[in-house]
Amino acid sequence: RKEVEQDPGPFNVPEGATVAFNCTYSNSASQSFFWYRQDCRKEPKLLMSVYSSGNEDGRFTAQLNRASQYISLLIRDSKLSDSATYLCVVNRGTGGGADGLTFGKGTHLIIQP
Amino acid sequence: ETGVTQSPTHLIKTRGQQVTLRCSSQSGHNTVSWYQQALGQGPQFIFQYYREEENGRGNFPPRFSGLQFPNYSSELNVNALELDDSALYLCASSPDQARTQYFGPGTRLTVL
Repeated sequence: RKEVEQDPGPFNVPEGATVAFNCTYSNSASQSFFWYRQDCRKEPKLLMSVYSSGNEDGRFTAQLNRASQYISLLIRDSKLSDSATYLCVVNRGTGGGADGLTFGKGTHLIIQP
Repeated sequence: ETGVTQSPTHLIKTRGQQVTLRCSSQSGHNTVSWYQQALGQGPQFIFQYYREEENGRGNFPPRFSGLQFPNYSSELNVNALELDDSALYLCASSPDQARTQYFGPGTRLTVL
């Protein structure tokens, strides 16, 4: 079983719609969780960290469910510029950051006008 | 922009050759991590350097090696290149091994 699993999509969504992505992780000892956004042939950019209490940044809401080992990202009022690949990222946390980040394959989102 | 820079942008090598990729971390960041991203995949952790020492490594063979310098910049060296080494190589920096990491633009390596 992969450490971080995501639906690769693509998700084709009309502009203005709400879209939700999920991912699951296998290591229950994981301590840190993130969503990164990656545009085609560019580097990943940090979108937001994810906390158990849930957190919101403008149109973006992230949620962590430790019991189910499940992370979600909700995008409201989607814009054409939201088209990108969204990477679910987990850090196992056994050695500070020294064990690196574990990435899912990404979910490809296409916002259509 | 994150302030993390990488060079070169693109590189073409042939199988069996050796390559060195370079990364300058964001100002104030003493930790550098390297990742390999194959087409259609998420980045995979290669190793991390903190205060000039390797302090974490992913599932990559010893022909992948690195260095970190006193100014916290870093190199990734790959020996005996294989076709499967063709990928985007990403460097990420963070302060004091923090788990939040900021990526540079990457070096795209093609092995023929």
